[in-house]
Amino acid sequence: QLQLQESGPGLVKPSETLSLTCTVSGGSISSSSYYWGWIRQPPGKGLEWIGSIYYSGSTYYNPSLKSRVTISVDTSKNQFSLKLSSVTAADTAVYYCASDDYYDSDNCAFDIWGQGTMVTVSS
Amino acid sequence: SSELTQDPAVSVALGQTVRITCQGDSLRSYYASWYQQKPGQAPVLVIYGKNNRPSGIPDRFSGSSSGNTASLTITGAQAEDEADYYCNSRDSSGNHLKVFGGGTKLTVL
Repeated sequence: QLQLQESGPGLVKPSETLSLTCTVSGGSISSSSYYWGWIRQPPGKGLEWIGSIYYSGSTYYNPSLKSRVTISVDTSKNQFSLKLSSVTAADTAVYYCASDDYYDSDNCAFDIWGQGTMVTVSS
Repeated sequence: SSELTQDPAVSVALGQTVRITCQGDSLRSYYASWYQQKPGQAPVLVIYGKNNRPSGIPDRFSGSSSGNTASLTITGAQAEDEADYYCNSRDSSGNHLKVFGGGTKLTVL
């Protein structure tokens, strides 16, 4: 049973870089049918896709965040990570990692989610 | 990038049928997936593809699609179905970009 768990600081200062890691258990991050994604949800608001990565290192980012986002993968640790630079209060949110399952050649769904981790941007 | 549009709120009487819709250009090319989110919890995938339910999702949940609109139908809504529902698909650009709808708050009366 695939499980994902986010980890990282819950408080980040404005203008600094938010860093989170997602540890995948119960399966290999090198699975050919999966991308691995980050999604966030500001308090009281909807879901926003941040970006996804393939085990080979190919990345796709939300155009609205692309200039500040870096997603990387460490296959030896079965982990993938998120870095979001120059954060402001608007980046305060629950951050989720999720498996991005390409169940056919064209379509995909986030089938397994981590529990989420709250990150507050404040001095 | 493309957008997915959902009604902010929908209500249904206990035991009745409700349809939650999602509109967007990307849905002409890609299937929507649907997620249920209860307060304080992570989203849960309830429908993906043409009309597929992950293991453990009750069969009262079903999905359909026509043109630029995808629908999630709950047949015989239960009190525990009260939640926020989000649709999601690939972006219409053809790249591996993703987009979520704004969410629909379902109230079961």
